[in-house]
Amino acid sequence: GQNIDQPTEMTATEGAIVQINCTYQTSGFNGLFWYQQHAGEAPTFLSYNVLDGLEEKGRFSSFLSRSKGYSYLLLKELQMKDSASYLCAVRNTGTASKLTFGTGTRLQVTL
Amino acid sequence: DGGITQSPKYLFRKEGQNVTLSCEQNLNHDAMYWYRQDPGQGLRLIYYSQIVNDFQKGDIAEGYSVSREKKESFPLTVTSAQKNPTAFYLCASTPTSRGAETQYFGPGTRLLVL
Repeated sequence: GQNIDQPTEMTATEGAIVQINCTYQTSGFNGLFWYQQHAGEAPTFLSYNVLDGLEEKGRFSSFLSRSKGYSYLLLKELQMKDSASYLCAVRNTGTASKLTFGTGTRLQVTL
Repeated sequence: DGGITQSPKYLFRKEGQNVTLSCEQNLNHDAMYWYRQDPGQGLRLIYYSQIVNDFQKGDIAEGYSVSREKKESFPLTVTSAQKNPTAFYLCASTPTSRGAETQYFGPGTRLLVL
């Protein structure tokens, strides 16, 4: 089975940097995804990590350590529109591209 | 434009009634998925299909049924056996069931029990 842990809520100030952590335990790891979800909307893809290290994409970066079962999503130069839930999802090594999602971290960006 | 559509956006169900949620994609994706999301929770997998005329149960399949008669369509029926159906239902697809491709999500259907 799989278990994924994320903080429930975080608050940060506009223009600041915030790091959202995700830890996981899985019987077979085949990639980790981060999604952004605004209230009442569908999740949208942010990043994908399958090898150790940092993936950077504009203001968003994601890091993975497979040996530690750990990932983080780093958001720089926070904007009000970044207020959303951020979902960490792990894919296993099965035959289907099934994802197991964490409960999500609700980020509130304040002035 | 290519994408995934779900209808209706809101759906009301009476006690003892079956309802069907529609999911259509024109992305030519092989694999499709149905998730349920409860308030403040992550997504939980209900059913998935890797190819036409084949589907498998996810983690919470009880009280639900699906069909995959066409590549583009993967409807979900919420049966009267599902005792707590109020939730946000999301359909997703990927190009293949292996590989690095992410899942693309439809806009979701919110189901409410009257």
